[in-house]
Amino acid sequence: ILNVEQSPQSLHVQEGDSTNFTCSFPSSNFYALHWYRWETAKSPEALFVMTLNGDEKKKGRISATLNTKEGYSYLYIKGSQPEDSATYLCAFCNFGNEKLTFGTGTRLTIIP
Amino acid sequence: KAGVTQTPRYLIKTRGQQVTLSCSPISGHRSVSWYQQTPGQGLQFLFEYFSETQRNKGNFPGRFSGRQFSNSRSEMNVSTLELGDSALYLCASSLAGQRDIQYFGAGTRLSVL
Repeated sequence: ILNVEQSPQSLHVQEGDSTNFTCSFPSSNFYALHWYRWETAKSPEALFVMTLNGDEKKKGRISATLNTKEGYSYLYIKGSQPEDSATYLCAFCNFGNEKLTFGTGTRLTIIP
Repeated sequence: KAGVTQTPRYLIKTRGQQVTLSCSPISGHRSVSWYQQTPGQGLQFLFEYFSETQRNKGNFPGRFSGRQFSNSRSEMNVSTLELGDSALYLCASSLAGQRDIQYFGAGTRLSVL
């Protein structure tokens, strides 16, 4: 059983502040790490797929880093806006069976 | 380009019944994966189909089954429904499999009474 852990479980951030959260995954047999944003009443939407150790990806105010040797990824949001309120999911894909295992998510609430 | 379409959006069934959910992937996508979301749980992987073949399976009982048609549309069937099967069922499609970006449908909310 693969464990993908996300922390914190929930987070309240003042509008305009920056924030980050963590995804931990097994460091062996790494294949890919995904980040998704899931807004209430909508479908999960892909943010990033990362495959190489040291990868850094950026999409607007959101960026992510990847450390496959120690098994963690950080998601950063700069200058939080109310529309950033959502649950952020990471998912680990391992080499071999190429099956995605999701974490339980970090629920982010931006306070206006 | 149309997104992933799931039908129906909502469903109410009673214990012991069976249910079939449908998922139409994005055109050109050959992989369809199914997930179950229950309160407090992450997305739990059910199975993945690729080119009409089940390629991966999660840890769910045999009551959960699926199939994929030649046009890549997929169905998921749950037989002998239990109260604990009440959940949001999401499907996702991708070009080549779970290592690729997953495009999710809006989900089917199943309530078992």
